Amino acid sequence: ETGVTQTPRHLVMGMTNKKSLKCEQHLGHNAMYWYKQSAKKPLELMFVYSLEERVENNSVPSRFSPECPNSSHLFLHLHTLQPEDSALYLCASSQLGASSYNEQFFGPGTRLTVL
Amino acid sequence: RKEVEQDPGPFNVPEGATVAFNCTYSNSASQSFFWYRQDCRKEPKLLMSVYSSGNEDGRFTAQLNRASQYISLLIRDSKLSDSATYLCVVNTEDSNYQLIWGAGTKLIIKP
Repeated sequence: ETGVTQTPRHLVMGMTNKKSLKCEQHLGHNAMYWYKQSAKKPLELMFVYSLEERVENNSVPSRFSPECPNSSHLFLHLHTLQPEDSALYLCASSQLGASSYNEQFFGPGTRLTVL
Repeated sequence: RKEVEQDPGPFNVPEGATVAFNCTYSNSASQSFFWYRQDCRKEPKLLMSVYSSGNEDGRFTAQLNRASQYISLLIRDSKLSDSATYLCVVNTEDSNYQLIWGAGTKLIIKP
């Protein structure tokens, strides 16, 4: 596989369920990201991991819990979500270094519906 | 004022025409700039980074105007496959990690 992969591609869950989203990058990058994209809104950064350490958490509700076991894998654990959490969840990776250009490459996303 | 602002469109353009759109940003200390394209129900894909001197990639030309705090994207000889939403992206002053995303400009190329 190449690039950034995400599973599942589609997920429907109830508010009491627990599920996890998975992301894997095959680009040798040292940073990974979770974004949320709601209809007609800009991408919202949720979490950033660089070298497996979380470097930013933009005040995301605790019902979203990230995990980064190594530089190639990233998970987003979901529990007791709300209907307003329904959105496209995108994973991205990039190579952070001396250059300020942080070109991010995205997986296909998980389209999440919370009932 | 939004940090990154784009005209949502849609821009309806005949095939073969030239189209241009701008994006304004509020943080004068921003260092890096990008254009991404996003097809319906797909992920964003990097179209091009925007450098201070401007840059060109085939039919696409990107320009940066620091004085007026905007970047532009010009598409020449537009193709049907150029129909997409174009996202303007700017880094923040505080963090190299965090990119600020515009909501996008929708472009529709008509035959």
